[in-house]
Amino acid sequence: KQEVTQIPAALSVPEGENLVLNCSFTDSAIYNLQWFRQDPGKGLTSLLLIQSSQREQTSGRLNASLDKSSGRSTLYIAASQPGDSATYLCAVRPGHTGNQFYFGTGTSLTVIP
Amino acid sequence: DAGVIQSPRHEVTEMGQEVTLRCKPISGHDYLFWYRQTMMRGLELLIYFNNNVPIDDSGMPEDRFSAKMPNASFSTLKIQPSEPRDSAVYFCASSLLYSGQGSETQYFGPGTRLLVL
Repeated sequence: KQEVTQIPAALSVPEGENLVLNCSFTDSAIYNLQWFRQDPGKGLTSLLLIQSSQREQTSGRLNASLDKSSGRSTLYIAASQPGDSATYLCAVRPGHTGNQFYFGTGTSLTVIP
Repeated sequence: DAGVIQSPRHEVTEMGQEVTLRCKPISGHDYLFWYRQTMMRGLELLIYFNNNVPIDDSGMPEDRFSAKMPNASFSTLKIQPSEPRDSAVYFCASSLLYSGQGSETQYFGPGTRLLVL
C-alpha cells in the first residue's frame, strides 16, 4: 500500500519569505500527484495536479515539482502571505484503475504578518 | 454549480444512536468518495463509488459503517450503532475520470463534524 509522508508537520514563517513543503511516497508507480489546501473547518481545495509524465506545475506563486524515481514532491510558495496560512496536503493516485488518492498527514503553515 | 453539498454540517449524538450523513456530488461527476479525517490518522478513504456502484470499501472500519448511492445525485454514509471513537470529520468528494488535464481532481464538500458522546 502506498504510504505518503509530509515533513514538517508544522511550519511558521514571517511574511514575505519563500518556503518549501515536502512530500514523499513509497511506491514510485504513480499516475499523478496533487497538492491540496485545507482551511480550518473547511474541506480541501485543489491547488496543483502533476501528471506522472510531468516534472512540475505552476500556478501564480505556487510551484509543485515531482521526482517520481526518488518518490518526492515539493510545493514551493513564493513571497508568502498571511492568507497562505492553512494546512497543505499532498495526495498520490497510484494507478490508472480507479480514482482513489492516498493522502499525507499534511503540513500546517502559519505565515506571521 | 454549488459544489459538493454535505448535510448536516455538525452532528452531536449519543453512543448507540444511528447516524446518517448525506452527500450530493457535483452534477455530472461519476466518482464519489467518502473520507474520514482525525488528528491521529489524518484523511482516510472509507469507500468510493463509480457510476453509483461501490468499487472499493476496504477502508470501511467495521460492519457498523455502511454507504449507499441510490442515484447519481445522492449518497449516504450510515453508522449504526455509533461509538465515541467514530467522532471525526467526514468528507464527501466527487470527480470525473479521464476527461482531460486537471479534471481528475477531487472536489471536496465542507464536511460533517460528528461528535459521539
